[in-house]
Amino acid sequence: TQLLEQSPQFLSIQEGENLTVYCNSSSVFSSLQWYRQEPGEGPVLLVTVVTGGEVKKLKRLTFQFGDARKDSSLHITAAQPGDTGLYLCAGGGAGNNRKLIWGLGTSLAVNP
Amino acid sequence: DTGVSQDPRHKITKRGQNVTFRCDPISEHNRLYWYRQTLGQGPEFLTYFQNEAQLEKSRLLSDRFSAERPKGSFSTLEIQRTEQGDSAMYLCASSLAYTDVLNYGYTFGSGTRLTVV
Repeated sequence: TQLLEQSPQFLSIQEGENLTVYCNSSSVFSSLQWYRQEPGEGPVLLVTVVTGGEVKKLKRLTFQFGDARKDSSLHITAAQPGDTGLYLCAGGGAGNNRKLIWGLGTSLAVNP
Repeated sequence: DTGVSQDPRHKITKRGQNVTFRCDPISEHNRLYWYRQTLGQGPEFLTYFQNEAQLEKSRLLSDRFSAERPKGSFSTLEIQRTEQGDSAMYLCASSLAYTDVLNYGYTFGSGTRLTVV
């Protein structure tokens, strides 16, 4: 069974702090995606990384795909209350799976 | 096209009743997925369709659950004889072909929140 482990599971920080969320697996993925989900809504795609070692930036968010394509990280600089939500990673293209494999999520609360 | 639509947004039902949810995907997307999600957790895969063909069903999908996509467009998810453990958010997502998923991901609806009392 392919698993994506996310850590930490919960994170509560003050506005302006930096944070990093991790997504790890023993499987190699062709691509890894990060989604953000607000309460009562479906997940929304933030970014896709496909190349080992790839780094993508989205304003204050920096995403990195591990060299071996087994892990990824999401770093948020100067977090704001609007960053509050559930951050999910999802991996695709490993083995014969024809659907994304999902992590359990990191629930982030940014306090004003 | 305004994205993936799910109806209803909220459903409260008594234990033992049947419920049906509807999902309208993005029109050009041929893949449609159903997921279940409990509070603060990641989505759990239930089933997916490519056009009208149901290609995979999770072991989570007991015989009380059935999903259809009769014309390869909208889909319905029915739960018979609901139980309190069925209370969750039911999410629908759609996508292009699998190779496009690796780059463009899924587009999710806003979900149907089911509460079984």
